[in-house]
Amino acid sequence: DADVTQTPRNRITKTGKRIMLECSQTKGHDRMYWYRQDPGLGLRLIYYSFDVKDINKGEISDGYSVSRQAQAKFSLSLESAIPNQTALYFCATSFGGADTQYFGPGTRLTVL
Amino acid sequence: QQQVKQSPQSLIVQKGGISIINCAYENTAFDYFPWYQQFPGKGPALLIAIRPDVSEKKEGRFTISFNKSAKQFSLHIMDSQPGDSATYFCAARGTGTASKLTFGTGTRLQVTL
Repeated sequence: DADVTQTPRNRITKTGKRIMLECSQTKGHDRMYWYRQDPGLGLRLIYYSFDVKDINKGEISDGYSVSRQAQAKFSLSLESAIPNQTALYFCATSFGGADTQYFGPGTRLTVL
Repeated sequence: QQQVKQSPQSLIVQKGGISIINCAYENTAFDYFPWYQQFPGKGPALLIAIRPDVSEKKEGRFTISFNKSAKQFSLHIMDSQPGDSATYFCAARGTGTASKLTFGTGTRLQVTL
């Protein structure tokens, strides 16, 4: 969905490096989410934000941090990347209490 | 802790056949059950969803069957087509607008000619 963009789309980095993944949306949604996808594990929630001043941990937040710079922007940081953080990362948005989440195209991150 | 269990992990169906993917949940407070479809290189997108006050919802070739007493729901794809080849995720959301989606582990569907 072009309304939710993620940068970079692919990234290879080394253990111990700091990495930032960025998400931007033009849908005007207030809620944003970060998920990681691993084979056989599905999508797991890392962090979510219901507005700029409201940030919450998901089920697997250890080793990650986030920043909601504006309603349209939500960044995910890996302070010191490790190989088991190699995964597909997705950003998603939703509006208020609406049911549907809209996903970005994903970032494939490889930590060597 | 996997609150939504999905099976099978992968599925191969011939063109024209019926694809069936099953999910089971544990939390009786879930009140919204969507299915997301993901094509290679793309993010998941909502396919169809159901609430527990109905037992079935149909949209075109896609049907969700819901069994509240058994805490199970399934996706049926009738007349499966090669273009349906994708990964399918079931999910569940708890009550209240502050609740989040819990996803199943995904099913990779391949529809062969």
